[in-house]
Amino acid sequence: DAGVIQSPRHEVTEMGQEVTLRCKPISGHDYLFWYRQTMMRGLELLIYFNNNVPIDDSGMPEDRFSAKMPNASFSTLKIQPSEPRDSAVYFCASSLSIVDTQYFGPGTRLTVL
Amino acid sequence: GENVEQHPSTLSVQEGDSAVIKCTYSDSASNYFPWYKQELGKGPQLIIDIRSNVGEKKDQRIAVTLNKTAKHFSLHITETQPEDSAVYFCAANSWGGGATNKLIFGTGTLLAVQP
Repeated sequence: DAGVIQSPRHEVTEMGQEVTLRCKPISGHDYLFWYRQTMMRGLELLIYFNNNVPIDDSGMPEDRFSAKMPNASFSTLKIQPSEPRDSAVYFCASSLSIVDTQYFGPGTRLTVL
Repeated sequence: GENVEQHPSTLSVQEGDSAVIKCTYSDSASNYFPWYKQELGKGPQLIIDIRSNVGEKKDQRIAVTLNKTAKHFSLHITETQPEDSAVYFCAANSWGGGATNKLIFGTGTLLAVQP
């Protein structure tokens, strides 16, 4: 398996623009997670899905952030409008069950100017 | 909710020495404790994990110990090599309302192995 795939790997945008991050989980994994990593806040969970259904979105910072999983092989994290404080590395991860190894993608480094 | 503390934040050892990283957690219901290694520019990768019904687990040069009474767990790396240099994260699972469950990560330890 190719592992978790994320795109783009790097994104530079201007404040106020819409940003869409994409993730393809490992085939057969029922759980998908979106994390954000910053120096100040470390690695924090934003939202996770089970069988394409959002289960816990308590980590989503505010209404500017939204995530969808239209099918088992694709998920998006959207920020609209983006702000400089959204600059971070965003990781997608997937796992077979909720208490199991999470496999992380390579991340998307987002810079909002 | 769960709180995971990790120490030290940085650790420098000589090649061949041992390295120990310690974590504490607050939620007595936590029952899964993974350790992740993150190399520069990459996503975290699981290196070892332990569940609450086990006190110690070993995989070659890496071992993890768990003390549920004291709510702490530790990562031990023996015979360190330069390729062990990375950031290491501990984590503990946290059960929330409605049977939700998520990993809470420590703040990370930057391990530098000097050749």
